Amino acid sequence: RKEVEQDPGPFNVPEGATVAFNCTYSNSASQSFFWYRQDCRKEPKLLMSVYSSGNEDGRFTAQLNRASQYISLLIRDSKLSDSATYLCVVSTSGTYKYIFGTGTRLKVLA
Amino acid sequence: IAGITQAPTSQILAAGRRMTLRCTQDMRHNAMYWYRQDLGLGLRLIHYSNTAGTTGKGEVPDGYSVSRANTDDFPLTLASAVPSQTSVYFCASSAGTGAREQFFGPGTRLTVL
Repeated sequence: RKEVEQDPGPFNVPEGATVAFNCTYSNSASQSFFWYRQDCRKEPKLLMSVYSSGNEDGRFTAQLNRASQYISLLIRDSKLSDSATYLCVVSTSGTYKYIFGTGTRLKVLA
Repeated sequence: IAGITQAPTSQILAAGRRMTLRCTQDMRHNAMYWYRQDLGLGLRLIHYSNTAGTTGKGEVPDGYSVSRANTDDFPLTLASAVPSQTSVYFCASSAGTGAREQFFGPGTRLTVL
C-alpha cells in the first residue's frame, strides 16, 4: 500500500461547480499536511497547509480526519484557472521525509 | 534572485556522461531537497540536506550525489548518466524540516540517451 494515496482523476467539472478531493495516508505518526497545486510542466506550488481544526482560504477548504487518516480539499465556485493537478503531501515534524501523493487532476470546463 | 533557481532548464545528455544540476536559493532556508518526478510515480526524494555541511539519502539516491558547502547552493551530480535517469528534477527548500512547507524551483528536464 502506498503511504499517500490519491484518486488520479481526471475530475471534469463545469465552471461554478464544487469539487472535493480526498487523500489517504498510512502513517499514523504523520503530523503535517499540505495541498500543493502543480500546473503542467511546472513546479509544485503550495496551495495551503492543513490544520487539525480545518482551514479555509477563499474558495478552498481543507480538512483533516486523523481517525480515518485522510485529508480533503474542497473547491467552491470552480474557475477555469483551477485546472491543474493537486498534490497531497504528508510529513512528520523533525524529519526530512515529505511523502507526496501522485496527484489528482482537475479540469474545469467552460 | 527571488526564491529558488535551477540550471539548466533542460538538457539532453549522452549515457555515461557526467552532469551537475545546479540549485540556488536566496531565502536562507536551512533544509534543501532534490526530487525527481516521473509520470505515474509522483515526486520521489533523491537526497536532502538539513543544514549546510550535512546531507542524507532519500528514497532513490543510487547514481546521484550531492554536496552542501553553504546555505544557498545544493548541486546534484550524476556521475555517469543512464537512460533511467531521464526525468524532471526539482530542487526544493524549507525553513525547517517536516512541519514547514517546501518551496520548489522551476525544475530541470533531463533526457539521457
